[in-house]
Amino acid sequence: QQQVKQSPQSLIVQKGGISIINCAYENTAFDYFPWYQQFPGKGPALLIAIRPDVSEKKEGRFTISFNKSAKQFSLHIMDSQPGDSATYFCAAVQETSGSRLTFGEGTQLTVNP
Amino acid sequence: EPEVTQTPSHQVTQMGQEVILRCVPISNHLYFYWYRQILGQKVEFLVSFYNNEISEKSEIFDDQFSVERPDGSNFTLKIRSTKLEDSAMYFCASRLRTGRETQYFGPGTRLLVL
Repeated sequence: QQQVKQSPQSLIVQKGGISIINCAYENTAFDYFPWYQQFPGKGPALLIAIRPDVSEKKEGRFTISFNKSAKQFSLHIMDSQPGDSATYFCAAVQETSGSRLTFGEGTQLTVNP
Repeated sequence: EPEVTQTPSHQVTQMGQEVILRCVPISNHLYFYWYRQILGQKVEFLVSFYNNEISEKSEIFDDQFSVERPDGSNFTLKIRSTKLEDSAMYFCASRLRTGRETQYFGPGTRLLVL
C-alpha cells in the first residue's frame, strides 16, 4: 500500500521532444507528490511538486499532471534538452506520517542531441 | 546557497565492522532523514529525526542502525556490524519545517562492504 510504481525504467528522447514519465500510487493518504531529479554522483534534488487538489502544475518546461481518481500522476518535460539527461524519481508523502518520502523506482532519461 | 554535506564520499569496510556516516544538515533545518539507494534500485527511507529523537523508522532500520545528533550541526548514522547487503549509497536529507517543505539531499556516501 505504501508503494509508488514508476514507468518507464528508461527513456530515450530526441532533443526538442517531449519526455513523459508516469507514476501510480495506492495509498490515498498521500497528500503531496514531488518529483526529484538526480544527476550521477549527486543527491536527488526537488524539481517540481503537486498537491492532490490540483490537476496540473507547470513550471517552465516541466509539468505535472495529476489524476486523483486514477491515483496516477505524470511528469512531462517539454522541449527536452541534453542537459535534462538524468534519473527522475517520483515520490509521495503522507504528511501525518512524518513526511517520509516514498520513491518510485526511477526513470533514466537520455536526451540525444 | 546552503547545502547538505556528507562525509566521507566513499567508504570501504569489512563485513562486521562498524561505520559512521556523517552529515551536516542545512543550519536552520529542524527535520533530518537518512535514505539509502542500493545500486540500480529506488531510494528507500531509513529514519527521520526531530527534536533529538527518532520520529519514524522503516523496517530496514533495525537494531544494527542508530542515529545521533551529537552537537548542533552534525547528524550521524551508525551501522554497528556491517553486512554485505548494507552496501549502498546513503543520503542524508534535511527539512525546515513540518508539512510539505522540501527535503534537501546531500551528495551521499557510497558504502561498500566486503
